[in-house]
Amino acid sequence: KAGVTQTPRYLIKTRGQQVTLSCSPISGHRSVSWYQQTPGQGLQFLFEYFSETQRNKGNFPGRFSGRQFSNSRSEMNVSTLELGDSALYLCASSSGTGAQETQYFGPGTRLLVL
Amino acid sequence: AQKITQTQPGMFVQEKEAVTLDCTYDTSDPSYGLFWYKQPSSGEMIFLIYQGSYDQQNATEGRYSLNFQKARKSANLVISASQLGDSAMYFCAMRIEKLTFGTGTRLTIIP
Repeated sequence: KAGVTQTPRYLIKTRGQQVTLSCSPISGHRSVSWYQQTPGQGLQFLFEYFSETQRNKGNFPGRFSGRQFSNSRSEMNVSTLELGDSALYLCASSSGTGAQETQYFGPGTRLLVL
Repeated sequence: AQKITQTQPGMFVQEKEAVTLDCTYDTSDPSYGLFWYKQPSSGEMIFLIYQGSYDQQNATEGRYSLNFQKARKSANLVISASQLGDSAMYFCAMRIEKLTFGTGTRLTIIP
């Protein structure tokens, strides 16, 4: 089975721009979660989607949004980029949303905001 | 609220030795999952091992085992016979409704 894929792998943007990141889950997985990783804040949960519905949301401003399509692929959008949005964005997929469900991660998208 | 604590920012271990990475957690929910992930310098998070809160036996996956002590709320990762390729960041995580990560331990294997 192919793993979780994320595109693009690297991205450079300037302040004020917006960005869209894409994530394709493992085949058959219906849950997709997004995380932000920075040296200062560590790994922080952004949101989780299951069957096109947002199930959980982390403590991030409204500039961060996401969606999931009927084929379980997910996109994350960040509008009005700030320098502090520079981070590694990780996507993870799992079969379901239960506590016992293992999340498998993609390679991440490294975003640099100048 | 759920919380994961990893108290070892960094560890140096001789090749072929066993290593224990510490993890404690805090939750009042009786149903939770505990996970360990490895993150090499490339950035990808690699799943290593899972332990459910109702599991009676400690989980094992090859050279990895999870020392689960429920009363003490600890879930330490044990790597037997360490290899140079084990050098990486290791994260402990707990899932109830969402996955919450600890701050990680940077493990360096010395030849």
